[in-house]
Formats: sequence, structure tokens, C-alpha cells
Amino acid sequence: EPEVTQTPSHQVTQMGQEVILRCVPISNHLYFYWYRQILGQKVEFLVSFYNNEISEKSEIFDDQFSVERPDGSNFTLKIRSTKLEDSAMYFCASSSGGGYSREQYFGPGTRLTVT
Amino acid sequence: GENVEQHPSTLSVQEGDSAVIKCTYSDSASNYFPWYKQELGKGPQLIIDIRSNVGEKKDQRIAVTLNKTAKHFSLHITETQPEDSAVYFCAAFPYNQAGTALIFGKGTTLSVSS
Repeated sequence: EPEVTQTPSHQVTQMGQEVILRCVPISNHLYFYWYRQILGQKVEFLVSFYNNEISEKSEIFDDQFSVERPDGSNFTLKIRSTKLEDSAMYFCASSSGGGYSREQYFGPGTRLTVT
Repeated sequence: GENVEQHPSTLSVQEGDSAVIKCTYSDSASNYFPWYKQELGKGPQLIIDIRSNVGEKKDQRIAVTLNKTAKHFSLHITETQPEDSAVYFCAAFPYNQAGTALIFGKGTTLSVSS
């Protein structure tokens, strides 16, 4: 069964450093998302991406964040200068889009720890 | 914007009992309501969903009901098993197109004891 994959599973970085989180969405999906989950809290939307541009973004997704689809398979989230409060699980999701095809399938997540 | 409330935050049941988790939403434009199961250290897994044109959907031991008038929807798990123990999240999808954010509830930690 196709699934969303994410690398790395755990990333430790120092405050102020740049990090790139990587995702490979399900191959025939057209819409891509990043969500985050601070420990013990609910899953929060960051950004959605379609046709090589951002469709929607939340207030969390400020200028420190960017997304890119560098090739036909990868989808990345970059945090330019990490802060302590960026420590969270980051989930990538994808959906096929179109009509009623809104089911979003999540990857296993990357745990980001900022020290 | 859309706001999703979920209750209870924790639920403990004996194996074989039923479990019910309830969610309410605020935006009457929401028309798609998925439920996700998250096991420790893993990503949310879609287990069932319901669209606003139906009132109930069932998949083996799991069912979801939707009351559009009252703006609430519920997850029902019958004959619970220890492997049902996980955090369950409800979500609402407030727009009529793909590419839009899911708005999640805060989650319910279900513990099934044998």
C-alpha cells in the first residue's frame, strides 16, 4: 500500500541553525501539506502546496518557513533559523485532490528538537 | 475560522466494551469529517471519514455519525480490543475543495484494558 515517507525520523539542531525536513508523498497525489504537533497537543496545520505554489498557510508559517518541491518526488520544509519553540513533531501529508478526494494521508513524522 | 472541540480527553474502557468520542464544529460550511488514530511514535492514520451528505457510516467495529443541524459528529468503537488503545483525533474540513487545511480536535487518549 502506498505511503508517505519522511526523513529524518529525528533531527536535533541548535537554535539559530537551518533545518530541512524531507517528505516523499504518495506518488499520484497532487496536494501536499505540512502539519506540526507540539508534544501532547493537537495537530496544527502549517501549509498546503499545489501546482508548485502555496495554496494556504497558517499564522504559524511565518517568514522563517519555506516549502519546496525540488523534483518530482520530494517535498521539503525548511526552517531558516530555528527557535526553541520550533521543537515539535512535523508531519507531511498528501492527498490526491479533485472532487471528493480530500483524504489526507500522513507520514510517520520527523521529531525536531531545538537545543 | 473553524474550531473543533473534542471530548473526552481521556477514556478508559474494558476490553469488549464500547467507546464513544464526540466532536463539535463551528463552521456550518464544513462538509468532510475524518477520524485519525495515532499510535505512540507514529503519524496519524486515517481510520474512517464521513461526508456531510450522509448521517452514518460503518466499517466493521468502527462507526461514525454526523448531525449537521447540531454540528456534531461522533466515533463509535464496539467490542474494543487492547490494540485499539491510541490517541484518536477528529477533524473538520471547512471548504469545498482539496488543498485546504484539516482542523483537528485536541485528541482523546483511549485505553483499553484486558
